[in-house]
Amino acid sequence: DSGVTQTPKHLITATGQRVTLRCSPRSGDLSVYWYQQSLDQGLQFLIQYYNGEERAKGNILERFSAQQFPDLHSELNLSSLELGDSALYFCASSVGPTGGLSGANVLTFGAGSRLTVL
Amino acid sequence: AQSVSQHNHHVILSEAASLELGCNYSYGGTVNLFWYVQYPGQHLQLLLKYFSGDPLVKGIKGFEAEFIKSKFSFNLRKPSVQWSDTAEYFCAVTSSGSARQLTFGSGTQLTVLP
Repeated sequence: DSGVTQTPKHLITATGQRVTLRCSPRSGDLSVYWYQQSLDQGLQFLIQYYNGEERAKGNILERFSAQQFPDLHSELNLSSLELGDSALYFCASSVGPTGGLSGANVLTFGAGSRLTVL
Repeated sequence: AQSVSQHNHHVILSEAASLELGCNYSYGGTVNLFWYVQYPGQHLQLLLKYFSGDPLVKGIKGFEAEFIKSKFSFNLRKPSVQWSDTAEYFCAVTSSGSARQLTFGSGTQLTVLP
């Protein structure tokens, strides 16, 4: 157990629907990162939040949004789902805002949420 | 933009064979390098990391990696693999430049035959 908790583990839905994925970071970590892992795109960085504020944005579609709440958990909202959104969505957390840029700030990953869009 | 290339998509070895997985990155500035492993059905786990100092980095479970700056490489090695090493291995890089975020390679699936 990495300490990063993601729910749900599996989700099956239909095209056009909207889903919410939830992530609780490791205790003491203030940053949350969302990654999408698909067969054709590999692991793609989507977005980062640090202490409730958006810190960095990657290849996140406009149909997707995220937020980090005062208790530091984060939610990734995916709307108007398409078949191509089927993927494994990982959340990671780190202590500070610059994950990976210092030895004390390495990213710790959750087990992922597998989304299947039919 | 920084990028990471893992040229071996699938490697199949017998137990006790030696392993080397290639990783090349594109960013020319100061980089931090990582190898993560993903066992079937599990989360990504950090195997080892390089920030500075000795370019030969030792990680968990007998893995090591060597940073060769002139070749923009950070290859992962293990002298003798075990069946339990069957997993997907990801190389990743961050830099102090504008990208900053952890960028992953496409991954290498390692299958170790008993």
